[in-house]
Amino acid sequence: ETGVTQSPTHLIKTRGQQVTLRCSSQSGHNTVSWYQQALGQGPQFIFQYYREEENGRGNFPPRFSGLQFPNYSSELNVNALELDDSALYLCASSITGQGSSYNEQFFGPGTRLTVL
Amino acid sequence: AQSVSQHNHHVILSEAASLELGCNYSYGGTVNLFWYVQYPGQHLQLLLKYFSGDPLVKGIKGFEAEFIKSKFSFNLRKPSVQWSDTAEYFCAVNYKAAGNKLTFGGGTRVLVKP
Repeated sequence: ETGVTQSPTHLIKTRGQQVTLRCSSQSGHNTVSWYQQALGQGPQFIFQYYREEENGRGNFPPRFSGLQFPNYSSELNVNALELDDSALYLCASSITGQGSSYNEQFFGPGTRLTVL
Repeated sequence: AQSVSQHNHHVILSEAASLELGCNYSYGGTVNLFWYVQYPGQHLQLLLKYFSGDPLVKGIKGFEAEFIKSKFSFNLRKPSVQWSDTAEYFCAVNYKAAGNKLTFGGGTRVLVKP
């Protein structure tokens, strides 16, 4: 267990719908990163949030958006769902500001999204 | 583009056999290197990491990895596997110029037969 929690565990949506996934970071962690892991592939970086602002983004379209709240928890929103959005969505928390250029990321269990 | 390649998609071994999983990454300046493991139904766990110093890194559960800068490789090894090592293994790279994000390989699914 890493202390990073995600909800819901599983979700089924239909094409065109919108979805919100949630993540609570490990205690003391101020940064949240989101990754998409399609079946049979490695996780791909979607974006990262720090101080309630997007702090880096991968190659994902604007219909993938996020929020970070003052308690450092985060949401991932996906609009206009497509079949290819079916994947395991992973959240990882870390600490930014300790003077290191990289800070270890701790992963949650993921939310499995199925788009029909 | 920054990319990470894992040579094998699936590996099947018997208990006590030795394991070596290959990982190569594209050039992108200074890197930090990681191996993660994902046991069935569990979250990603860090096995080991390399930031600098001794290129031979020891991790948890008897795993080790060797960073060979000239080959852009970071191969994972374990001398003698157990049935409990059945899992999916991911190599990941943090390209320092790209900030605090990880670029993952496609993963290697390892099955250890008892």
